Formats: sequence, C-alpha cells, structure tokens
Amino acid sequence: AQRVTQPEKLLSVFKGAPVELKCNYSYSGSPELFWYVQYSRQRLQLLLRHISRESIKGFTADLNKGETSFHLKKPFAQEEDSAMYYCALKHDQGGKLIFGQGTELSVKP
Amino acid sequence: DGGITQSPKYLFRKEGQNVTLSCEQNLNHDAMYWYRQDPGQGLRLIYYSQIVNDFQKGDIAEGYSVSREKKESFPLTVTSAQKNPTAFYLCASRDRGSSGANVLTFGAGSRLTVL
Repeated sequence: AQRVTQPEKLLSVFKGAPVELKCNYSYSGSPELFWYVQYSRQRLQLLLRHISRESIKGFTADLNKGETSFHLKKPFAQEEDSAMYYCALKHDQGGKLIFGQGTELSVKP
Repeated sequence: DGGITQSPKYLFRKEGQNVTLSCEQNLNHDAMYWYRQDPGQGLRLIYYSQIVNDFQKGDIAEGYSVSREKKESFPLTVTSAQKNPTAFYLCASRDRGSSGANVLTFGAGSRLTVL
C-alpha cells in the first residue's frame, strides 16, 4: 500500500539553525512527491515538488529512492518558516495525494 | 480572483443532523477532492471526483456523501452516520490537463463542530 510517514509531530529550532523535516514513503513504483505548507491562518499550499528540482524560500528536498525518503531541508531557518508542513505522495488512481501526518515547525528567535 | 471558495467557514451542528459543506471553484479544474484534517493525523481523503457526474470514495467515506452535478461545485454532506464529525474539512481541485502538474489547489477550509 502507498503510505507517507512523517515521524516528527513537532520540530523546534532556533533562528539561523539548519532544519530537516523527515518524510519517508512506501511505494513500489516511481514516486511523485510533494511538500505542502500551511502558515498560520493561511491556506494549505504547495511548497515544492521533486520533479521540479527547485528551491523555494530556501527549502530543498531530494528524493532518495534507496532510503525511500524525501526530506525537506533548509540551511538557515527563519522565524517566518514556522508553519505546518505536509509531505505528500501521488497515488496511482485519480491524481489524489496521500498525505503524511504533518510536522509543525517552530522557529524561535 | 480565481480560486476555491468553501462555505461556511464555521458550522455548528447538533447530533443527528445532516449538514452540507459547499465547495465552489472557478479555476475550470476537472478534478475535485474533499479531505479531512485532524491534529496528528494529517489529511485523509473522504471523496474525490475526476469529472462531472462521477465520484469515488476515499479512505474515510463512511458517513459522508457528495455530488458532482456541475464542474464548479462539489458539495460534501456530513450525515448523522458519521461517528466523529467534528473536524476541519478541506476542499481541493486539480487541473487534469496540466502536464506533470498533479498539484492541488486548496480552499480555506470549513470547521465543523458537533454540539
């Protein structure tokens, strides 16, 4: 079965520290993975997707098929990065996304 | 401006009542989705529709019903059979025609509280 696991419910770091939000997936085929972010009082929105191989707001995520991981990284966290982050995997059917449990990132001054 | 509109933003329901959450989009997207968001459980798919007059159950469809009579609209009814309906409900849409996109656009959500 296709599944996404985010092991950390809460990640708290100080401003300027590196941050890594973990995401592991279960899928036997070629995965298509995403990171979505939900800032306080804002809509859930796409942060980045692995096929674009882009850096958004200083965040990057590399697909590691050997470890079945898609961890989100940023070298220097900012207070405005505080939000809820969801990792998502595209399901084979219907274009639907399977979401992980979410990780709340708190960046302290 | 283009986007997804969910209403109402907050809704209170007594036990035993059915309620309907509205989701309207003007993005001309073919596919629409309903997710339920609970703390610590992430987003779980309730129902989805890839085209007008067609929809499929998601992972937690029991106690919910939907219709897709128009491309723009995908209302969700939370019935009295839903055991734990208090939650935050998110509607999303996707343009099936966008090559390689598979990106969902989300509404602002509706918070349902059962009294």
